[in-house]
Amino acid sequence: GDSVTQMEGPVTLSEEAFLTINCTYTATGYPSLFWYVQYPGEGLQLLLKATKADDKGSNKGFEATYRKETTSFHLEKGSVQVSDSAVYFCALSEDRNTGKLIFGQGTTLQVKP
Amino acid sequence: DAGVTQSPTHLIKTRGQQVTLRCSPKSGHDTVSWYQQALGQGPQFIFQYYEEEERQRGNFPDRFSGHQFPNYSSELNVNALLLGDSALYLCASSLAGGSGEAFFGQGTRLTVV
Repeated sequence: GDSVTQMEGPVTLSEEAFLTINCTYTATGYPSLFWYVQYPGEGLQLLLKATKADDKGSNKGFEATYRKETTSFHLEKGSVQVSDSAVYFCALSEDRNTGKLIFGQGTTLQVKP
Repeated sequence: DAGVTQSPTHLIKTRGQQVTLRCSPKSGHDTVSWYQQALGQGPQFIFQYYEEEERQRGNFPDRFSGHQFPNYSSELNVNALLLGDSALYLCASSLAGGSGEAFFGQGTRLTVV
């Protein structure tokens, strides 16, 4: 079945460092791909998305490119801030009608001043 | 727009009891999905409701059931609670036939003792 694999955390960075969180997926079709962020004690917020190969999703300085050839959707940010500290989830959706999401296990990011 | 709202925010139940969690979707959305997020894990899809019927179901036992009302709000019921049912339960709403983008509520933290 479909699945999503993320790099294990926690990831600890200093403020203004470059961030990469790796995400790879397995799917039978052509899924939409998402990054969600979860701040402590809160639900999930959509960070960015891409719906087809070579699409680049971007938001709040974060970017991810849908790479069909490597089945990857790595999250990047050029300069992280303390406020970016959160848990990041990569997810896919095979069925755009239902929107059912399959999530990775999450990667905790801690940014130190 | 109030977004997706869930109630209650926290709940403590005893093994063997039954629990009902509630969700109101984002305005304009007609589809509600429920997810279970165990501590340190990614959310797992429980089921989805559309037009007051269960449209899709994940790998969860029949102890987990749900309902959708004509105003699109939804309930998640769990019978015969087990310690392993302790988790954050997330509700997500979306629009059928839309982009597949789901909006999440803050979740209900269920603790079974």
